[in-house]
Amino acid sequence: DAKTTQPNSMESNEEEPVHLPCNHSTISGTDYIHWYRQLPSQGPEYVIHGLTSNVNNRMASLAIAEDRKSSTLILHRATLRDAAVYYCILRGGAQKLVFGQGTRLTINP
Amino acid sequence: DTGVSQDPRHKITKRGQNVTFRCDPISEHNRLYWYRQTLGQGPEFLTYFQNEAQLEKSRLLSDRFSAERPKGSFSTLEIQRTEQGDSAMYLCASRLEKGRKTDTEAFFGQGTRLTVV
Repeated sequence: DAKTTQPNSMESNEEEPVHLPCNHSTISGTDYIHWYRQLPSQGPEYVIHGLTSNVNNRMASLAIAEDRKSSTLILHRATLRDAAVYYCILRGGAQKLVFGQGTRLTINP
Repeated sequence: DTGVSQDPRHKITKRGQNVTFRCDPISEHNRLYWYRQTLGQGPEFLTYFQNEAQLEKSRLLSDRFSAERPKGSFSTLEIQRTEQGDSAMYLCASRLEKGRKTDTEAFFGQGTRLTVV
């Protein structure tokens, strides 16, 4: 399974944008980039995924580097409810999701 | 559809006892996954099913663990002769596999928290 690297923790302020980075230098051409988040005492929750182009949905945006070796999850206006552990995961073909340690995001009021 | 549901939410058992957890996936989802999560760690893959067929098992899944998905709908995860090291959150997820040309999201349940005393 291709590996991702994320900072252990990040901190931001409420109502400000948050940029969560992820490095995946060994990504293969068929690997999708997935982001999930896990709020305290809950199961992981899907955030967004993409292959090559940037993606937007109601929760976030995903910016993918041109060489696909890194990506950034963008929360446009953080709220206290966005405090969670964010996982960046590569998934290719029929493979399962392999979680790393993720980034623990703290939002300050 | 209410999403993926897991039962029970919490289970306390004595060491050496057997426990069984149930997962009800989203109804049309053909893939079902089991994960285990300990405090401060990301979820670890245990096994997954395509309909009723168990396609992959992690080396974490010792002989004491068995999972079934008898009719391709709900799934059970049984742990025999529980040990204190089995204490963890057991998560179930489901998704609709559409083939290699597209990708879909997984939906996770709330998990079953097992405490072995």
